[in-house]
Amino acid sequence: AQSVTQLGSHVSVSEGALVLLRCNYSSSVPPYLFWYVQYPNQGLQLLLKYTTGATLVKGINGFEAEFKKSETSFHLTKPSPHMSDAAEYFCAVITDTGRRALTFGSGTRLQVQP
Amino acid sequence: EAQVTQNPRYLITVTGKKLTVTCSQNMNHEYMSWYRQDPGLGLRQIYYSMNVEVTDKGDVPEGYKVSRKEKRNFPLILESPSPNQTSLYFCASIPHGRGAYEQYFGPGTRLTVT
Repeated sequence: AQSVTQLGSHVSVSEGALVLLRCNYSSSVPPYLFWYVQYPNQGLQLLLKYTTGATLVKGINGFEAEFKKSETSFHLTKPSPHMSDAAEYFCAVITDTGRRALTFGSGTRLQVQP
Repeated sequence: EAQVTQNPRYLITVTGKKLTVTCSQNMNHEYMSWYRQDPGLGLRQIYYSMNVEVTDKGDVPEGYKVSRKEKRNFPLILESPSPNQTSLYFCASIPHGRGAYEQYFGPGTRLTVT
């Protein structure tokens, strides 16, 4: 069964410092990979996705992620975060394309200090 | 505005009292799905529907029922709720088409069963 591991349930950075949120997946087939963001008391918003093509994916709000097949990773980065980026971030993967079910990681809560 | 709506947004109920959480999308999507979100577990799929009158179990279907009589609606039914079904519930939809896996999430329904 596929799984998604997010290292670090909480990450704290200073404004302007690089943010790196880690995501590793296990899959025997090429995955479709997603990052979602959840602000307090809100639903899930898609940040970016990888399906095929270029392995460096740019998303909204200045986030980007790189798909590395050899490392089975899809880490999320942002060069200069703002306090408004404080939220919970979820990595997710679809490997069962028939069922189209997203398998989510357990989430990483990001704090951005002034 | 293209969106997925859920009602109610918040619900407190007692054990055994049947309830229904509604989900509706206005994007003419064929695929719809229900997830529950619990701390430290990410989101897990409950049920999904690939089209009208076509539904199937996800990862955690026990204690839930669904129906899909119309394309736009996908209600989640708890016939006899129990405290372990206290959770945050999300409905999602996906557009039809090969390679379409991006899920559009509703705002969530926070359910408390006492």
